[in-house]
Amino acid sequence: GENVEQHPSTLSVQEGDSAVIKCTYSDSASNYFPWYKQELGKRPQLIIDIRSNVGEKKDQRIAVTLNKTAKHFSLHITETQPEDSAVYFCAASGTGGFKTIFGAGTRLFVKA
Amino acid sequence: GAGVSQTPSNKVTEKGKYVELRCDPISGHTALYWYRQSLGQGPEFLIYFQGTGAADDSGLPNDRFFAVRPEGSVSTLKIQRTERGDSAVYLCASSLNIGATEAFFGQGTRLTVV
Repeated sequence: GENVEQHPSTLSVQEGDSAVIKCTYSDSASNYFPWYKQELGKRPQLIIDIRSNVGEKKDQRIAVTLNKTAKHFSLHITETQPEDSAVYFCAASGTGGFKTIFGAGTRLFVKA
Repeated sequence: GAGVSQTPSNKVTEKGKYVELRCDPISGHTALYWYRQSLGQGPEFLIYFQGTGAADDSGLPNDRFFAVRPEGSVSTLKIQRTERGDSAVYLCASSLNIGATEAFFGQGTRLTVV
């Protein structure tokens, strides 16, 4: 089955700097890669997603890149703000996009 | 309702007891997913439904866990003979259909087995 690994587990950046979180997946048939943000005690919320027919997608300060050959995908947050502090999860949907497997999460701290 | 609703929000139960956790998906969403999240970990897939049928229950840890969705809307996750290791936040999510883009999560049920 699908396995998703996420790095780093903790990331601390200065306000205004960029943050990059990287994930790898194992199932070459995966075709949908969402990223979720989870604040303490709250539910995960989708912030951006990418499908396998696209190499990059951007939404304001957030971008995601996908390298299908290497089975890598990454989240890039530019001009970080204290409210970006949260746990971020990458995920991959296996064959047919039915079962979404999550990474272990990255705790991002943005220092003011 | 406007979002995915889970009840109860918190449940404390004694080891060995039976518990039921309820999920009300977004109206019209045919796909429903259950996940379990332990502290400091990502959501762990348990089971998903397309309509009334369990399309994939491969994530259920053992036969003490099962879930139903009899009318294709509300789902109940049932845990028999609870163990302390079952303590976690149980998250439900729904999406418009299987393979659709965004899955919307409920706020979760925090289960504590003492």
